[in-house]
Amino acid sequence: EPEVTQTPSHQVTQMGQEVILRCVPISNHLYFYWYRQILGQKVEFLVSFYNNEISEKSEIFDDQFSVERPDGSNFTLKIRSTKLEDSAMYFCASSELGRGRTGELFFGEGSRLTVL
Amino acid sequence: QQQVKQSPQSLIVQKGGISIINCAYENTAFDYFPWYQQFPGKGPALLIAIRPDVSEKKEGRFTISFNKSAKQFSLHIMDSQPGDSATYFCAARFSGGYNKLIFGAGTRLAVHP
Repeated sequence: EPEVTQTPSHQVTQMGQEVILRCVPISNHLYFYWYRQILGQKVEFLVSFYNNEISEKSEIFDDQFSVERPDGSNFTLKIRSTKLEDSAMYFCASSELGRGRTGELFFGEGSRLTVL
Repeated sequence: QQQVKQSPQSLIVQKGGISIINCAYENTAFDYFPWYQQFPGKGPALLIAIRPDVSEKKEGRFTISFNKSAKQFSLHIMDSQPGDSATYFCAARFSGGYNKLIFGAGTRLAVHP
């Protein structure tokens, strides 16, 4: 069964360092997303991406965050200067359908980011 | 207005019992209401979903009941099994958006044998 894969599974970094989280969405999907989950809290939307540009982002997704699809398979989330409050599980998701249509989101297993 | 309120926070059910998790929302712009199941160390996985023009949807042991006028929806797990022990999230999606889901806070379900 096709799945969304994420790397690394866990990353520990020092405050102020740059972090890149990587995702390989399901191959025929066209819409890509990042969500995050702070430990013990709910899953929160960060950003959606379609046709090589951001289609929607939340207030959490400030200038420290960026997303990119550098090639035909990878989708990355970059945090330029990490803060303690960025510590969370980051989930990548993809869907075949997007705007205005009910497309199931398939989530990866997540990348746990710990900022010290 | 963007919130989805979920209760209870945790739930203990005996094997074979019925698990009921409730969610409520305010924003009438939501048009799709999925439930996700999450096991420890895994990402959320879609369990069942409903649109607001339907009052009930059943898939196997899982049923969503939807009350549009009350802006509430609930997940019923019939004949609960220990393998159902997981965290369950309700969610709601804005109509016309790019699959931006607003999640509830989650319910940790434990089914005891």
